[in-house]
Amino acid sequence: DVKVTQSSRYLVKRTGEKVFLECVQDMDHENMFWYRQDPGLGLRLIYFSYDVKMKEKGDIPEGYSVSREKKERFSLILESASTNQTSMYLCASSLWRGSNEKLFFGSGTQLSVL
Amino acid sequence: EDKVVQSPLSLVVHEGDTVTLNCSYEVTNFRSLLWYKQEKKAPTFLFMLTSSGIEKKSGRLSSILDKKELFSILNITATQTGDSAIYLCAIPPAGSYQLTFGKGTKLSVIP
Repeated sequence: DVKVTQSSRYLVKRTGEKVFLECVQDMDHENMFWYRQDPGLGLRLIYFSYDVKMKEKGDIPEGYSVSREKKERFSLILESASTNQTSMYLCASSLWRGSNEKLFFGSGTQLSVL
Repeated sequence: EDKVVQSPLSLVVHEGDTVTLNCSYEVTNFRSLLWYKQEKKAPTFLFMLTSSGIEKKSGRLSSILDKKELFSILNITATQTGDSAIYLCAIPPAGSYQLTFGKGTKLSVIP
């Protein structure tokens, strides 16, 4: 079974702090994604990556950056956390080959910024 | 702009009821439509639909796609409290392997 692991289940940070959210997948997937999920807004794509060192902006990249130095790891960085970044963050991965849009999700990180 | 609209946004039913969840979409170059179930943690994959009129079934859950009218439904028969979850519908935008999600339907099944 594919496993997508997010390093923290719950995280509490202060406004202005730099925050790192880590995600690791064990199935040699090319594509990795960061979504945030908010009540009433659903899942919204922040950034995605289809190869090592490659990244693409999603729908809401402002205030975030990402890093993909190794194929299995995709990090989301909040350079200076703000209260409006309090949210559930979900990492996902998928295969590149063929037409395969099925995403496998991690368990999520609930981030609270105070 | 690609769009996914789910209805209703929330639903409360009694155990044993049958429910139908709706997902309508707009996308250029349709490839597939996916359904996920999200309980407290990670969304888990239910179905991927690519062809109109072919029902996909898994136990008490089934789903079908209508590419002419641009919608899909997810049916759950004989609901159980364990079916309580958020059900998410998603499509891949043209030329991309990401997914655009609807806002989800929150289903609550009460005993």
